[in-house]
Amino acid sequence: DTAVSQTPKYLVTQMGNDKSIKCEQNLGHDTMYWYKQDSKKFLKIMFSYNNKELIINETVPNRFSPKSPDKAHLNLHINSLELGDSAVYFCASSQGTKNTGELFFGEGSRLTVL
Amino acid sequence: AQKITQTQPGMFVQEKEAVTLDCTYDTSDPSYGLFWYKQPSSGEMIFLIYQGSYDQQNATEGRYSLNFQKARKSANLVISASQLGDSAMYFCAMREGLWYGNKLVFGAGTILRVKS
Repeated sequence: DTAVSQTPKYLVTQMGNDKSIKCEQNLGHDTMYWYKQDSKKFLKIMFSYNNKELIINETVPNRFSPKSPDKAHLNLHINSLELGDSAVYFCASSQGTKNTGELFFGEGSRLTVL
Repeated sequence: AQKITQTQPGMFVQEKEAVTLDCTYDTSDPSYGLFWYKQPSSGEMIFLIYQGSYDQQNATEGRYSLNFQKARKSANLVISASQLGDSAMYFCAMREGLWYGNKLVFGAGTILRVKS
């Protein structure tokens, strides 16, 4: 069983389209995140949710809208896709039952905008 | 301001030798955590090791150890007895504050290549 799963793993789409990426975690964690990894491999946080509540929104264009229907799911919807949105989007979750509270990442969703 | 700095874009190491990947950080919060992640060419992010700012001893996990020098604000990853499978991108990251839900800020990464 995959701990943090994202779908789809690959998206290829045209500029201007709208797309969604879904994420589910079965770890019982209460905090989930979206990170963007650009072509230079730089990882930057976009959003985080704790128990369905948005707690971090890192100056992401409002074309990006996260939604957390419950604490096991965090989806990302992107409107009016632009070339610069091409990246790998990682979902992650964390829980402080251990001191570390490390992030568990999904496998990533590679978005290519043509 | 850059919070996490990894100054080595790429490193080579001979199989079975040890290698140190550098990481310096910047924070004024006395409470923070430092993390290292591995990203192989397949793309997944693998957690390797954690060091808390109040931890007295350097963290170790198998062949991974973290050389934590608080006064110098450095948290270097040491991989002993390198293996071909260690070839990957390595990221250092920091979380400020005590709450585990705070964001992790990542460095730019270091590509490690292990030679046979």
